[in-house]
Amino acid sequence: DIQMTQSPSTLSASVGDRVTITCRASQSISSWLAWYQQKPGKAPKLLIYKASSLESGVPSRFSGSGSGTEFTLTISSLQPDDFATYYCQQYNSYSWTFGRGTKVEIK
Amino acid sequence: EVQLVESGGGLVQPGESLRLSCAASGFSVNRNYMSWVRQAPGKGLEWVSVIYSGSNTYYADSVKGRFTISRHNSKNTLFLEMNSLRAEDTAVYYCARIPDYYGYFDYWGQGTLVTVSS
Repeated sequence: DIQMTQSPSTLSASVGDRVTITCRASQSISSWLAWYQQKPGKAPKLLIYKASSLESGVPSRFSGSGSGTEFTLTISSLQPDDFATYYCQQYNSYSWTFGRGTKVEIK
Repeated sequence: EVQLVESGGGLVQPGESLRLSCAASGFSVNRNYMSWVRQAPGKGLEWVSVIYSGSNTYYADSVKGRFTISRHNSKNTLFLEMNSLRAEDTAVYYCARIPDYYGYFDYWGQGTLVTVSS
């Protein structure tokens, strides 16, 4: 199975900061990667799919990049509503795996 | 409007069974890939199972042989039959839609909590 290594596990930042989260796959997954935001007690929300496509309704301050084994999620200017946990997810050969999550906290 | 509503969670003892349901609206479950994803308390997300529009099914190794995914097309409902439950199956179970072959989850239900404990 493909493993997803997400870093950092926790990130402290201030409103207005540029934030970058990295996800590394144990083998190439082309562009089969998505990013989700999850708030406590809520279901995950899709932000980015196919590595860099922005889901409809998601603010443009969120962007994704990468292919193969290295991927990043960038929040260009952190807003109060963005403090949450973020997960990457890959799909390959009838198997899905998630990263362990990055909690974005208020500095 | 697409909506997914799970039900059927609860407290069961180790070794017992439980059946989860996910009622869909706004789209047809038989024309989409549908999946179950779980999240143990305070932990990350874990994919559990998928059913394709052609009825092929796949499972995570951790549940293979114990869980069965199915759907009822006329009721537009997804199911997860869980047998031989273990303490480590304790989690919030979400159903989610996979809109295309890129394998991402675009719509999620609110989740239903399954607790396995004696």
